[in-house]
Amino acid sequence: GQSLEQPSEVTAVEGAIVQINCTYQTSGFYGLSWYQQHDGGAPTFLSYNALDGLEETGRFSSFLSRSDSYGYLLLQELQMKDSASYFCAVRDYNTGGGNKLTFGTGTQLKVEL
Amino acid sequence: NAGVTQTPKFQVLKTGQSMTLQCAQDMNHEYMSWYRQDPGMGLRLIHYSVGAGITDQGEVPNGYNVSRSTTEDFPLRLLSAAPSQTSVYFCASRDETGDQETQYFGPGTRLLVL
Repeated sequence: GQSLEQPSEVTAVEGAIVQINCTYQTSGFYGLSWYQQHDGGAPTFLSYNALDGLEETGRFSSFLSRSDSYGYLLLQELQMKDSASYFCAVRDYNTGGGNKLTFGTGTQLKVEL
Repeated sequence: NAGVTQTPKFQVLKTGQSMTLQCAQDMNHEYMSWYRQDPGMGLRLIHYSVGAGITDQGEVPNGYNVSRSTTEDFPLRLLSAAPSQTSVYFCASRDETGDQETQYFGPGTRLLVL
């Protein structure tokens, strides 16, 4: 099966940069995704990495190192509205033919003034 | 384009009752799935479907049934509700075009089993 580890909580100040790490263990890694979820809301897709390197989308970037089974989400110029939970998720082609997406337990980001 | 819709938004059941959580998507996605979310446990996959007529089990399928008669609809049935099934349920569909993949979630159904 798969397992993912990410910090449970991170606190940062408005305008700062924060990095949320995710380490994973899978037998047949397919790709790493990141989702954002505000309290009471539904998860929304942020980014996906299948290959090593950095993917940038506006203030958010996501990095993957397949050899280290590690990725991170980087949030720049933090805003109060970025306070939310962030989940990493993996697809594993050895599980359900790659059709199962397994989520980490989430990192609660709190942005302070 | 409504995306992924779920009904009801809230539901209270008594132990032993059955009910169906509805999910529909209008994006013509082949892949759909159901998750439950409990505090501190992230999202756990209940069942998924890769197309009409095809379903499979996820991590926590016990106590739940699904069917996929059309591309658009993927209902989740609770056969005999138990307090352990108190949770928030999310339906999702996935876009797998090109090299990217985006999973779209519905707004969720908050279920309380007494």
